[in-house]
Amino acid sequence: QVQLQQSGPGLVKPSQTLSLTCAISGDSVSSNSAAWNWIRQSPSRGLEWLGRTYYRSKWFYEYAVSVKSRITINPDTSKNQFSLQLNSVTPEDTAVYFCSSGTAAAGMGYWGQGTLVTVSS
Amino acid sequence: QSALTQPASVSGSPGQSITISCTGTSTDVGSYNYVSWYQQHPGKAPKLMIRDVSNRPSGVSNRFSGSKSGNTASLTISGLQAEDEADYYCCSYTTSSTLVFGGGTKLTVL
Repeated sequence: QVQLQQSGPGLVKPSQTLSLTCAISGDSVSSNSAAWNWIRQSPSRGLEWLGRTYYRSKWFYEYAVSVKSRITINPDTSKNQFSLQLNSVTPEDTAVYFCSSGTAAAGMGYWGQGTLVTVSS
Repeated sequence: QSALTQPASVSGSPGQSITISCTGTSTDVGSYNYVSWYQQHPGKAPKLMIRDVSNRPSGVSNRFSGSKSGNTASLTISGLQAEDEADYYCCSYTTSSTLVFGGGTKLTVL
């Protein structure tokens, strides 16, 4: 059973960087069959897939066009976790952020608990 | 990448069947059999109900089924139960190697 535990601040100031971490148990971030996603949800934007990373003999990174210039997702093999960094945030980035595991074919079967991140001064 | 199009709301009585549509384009739903469906209750994380168009993960009731025709995928829930009342989202892989969600459908069990 895969479990995902999110951590990170719930309040970020405008123009600063949003940083969240997702710790994995029951699987490996380096698995050749898994993918590790970040998704956010707000009343105005619904569910929005932000990006993912996965390992298939090398690391791959795929990002949504809407955030591509501001986002970084990094795996941390030493801690078996992955992280989200979103730069230059504005109030429009206020949302509940989720991490999840799953591929396009298998679907996202495991989710973190969600973290409400508010962008405000 | 624009969000997939879902009806904002659907409703049905207990025991009835409902279908939720999810319309995309030839660059997402129409290109791959990689459509998944998620159920979300208020304040909870989404739950995977259908993967790759029509396959149910272990533990999901067989009252849930999925299909696809062209650029439109569908989720059907038969024998509606009160616990099915939730928001439902479709999700598709795209030709840009990204994922895109639908806008969500609120299911009300009357």
